[in-house]
Amino acid sequence: EPEVTQTPSHQVTQMGQEVILRCVPISNHLYFYWYRQILGQKVEFLVSFYNNEISEKSEIFDDQFSVERPDGSNFTLKIRSTKLEDSAMYFCATKTAGAFGRQYNYNEQFFGPGTRLTVL
Amino acid sequence: GQNIDQPTEMTATEGAIVQINCTYQTSGFNGLFWYQQHAGEAPTFLSYNVLDGLEEKGRFSSFLSRSKGYSYLLLKELQMKDSASYLCAVNDYKLSFGAGTTVTVRA
Repeated sequence: EPEVTQTPSHQVTQMGQEVILRCVPISNHLYFYWYRQILGQKVEFLVSFYNNEISEKSEIFDDQFSVERPDGSNFTLKIRSTKLEDSAMYFCATKTAGAFGRQYNYNEQFFGPGTRLTVL
Repeated sequence: GQNIDQPTEMTATEGAIVQINCTYQTSGFNGLFWYQQHAGEAPTFLSYNVLDGLEEKGRFSSFLSRSKGYSYLLLKELQMKDSASYLCAVNDYKLSFGAGTTVTVRA
């Protein structure tokens, strides 16, 4: 079964450094999402992306964050100047545009395995 | 805003049944998902309800009442491997998650 993949699995960085987290969506999926989960807390929505533009973003997704799909396959999340509080698991999720496959669950978002970001 | 509530923890015995309740008050609604999450891993899909009623998938069932803003996940014939966190998530084109219910299955 197709899977969403994410790299790296673990990223350690110094405060103030830039990081880029990468996601490879399932090939026929057109909606892309980033979520984060701080240790011991709930999963939080960051941003959704469709048709090469942001469709919705949360208040967490401030000017330090950006997303792009640079080459038509990868979907990236960039944090320009990391802060200690950015330490979290970051999950990419993708969704098909149409009601095919498991038709009843066409709203299902498929999650990647996550990138654990540690900011020191 | 989004308000999604579920119990923090539940403990049950192997072979038993556990019901995890979720209540929600959200600005939009396009269905409700239940996910299972083991520590350090991604959420994995369990069930999806968009219409009122019960959906059954093997040992797992999920129920939705849209008028009451209420859902539950029923886990039957509990196994040790079912020890995990169970996440209720409201779909409004993005997912809004509850804090999760940690289920511990004892022998």
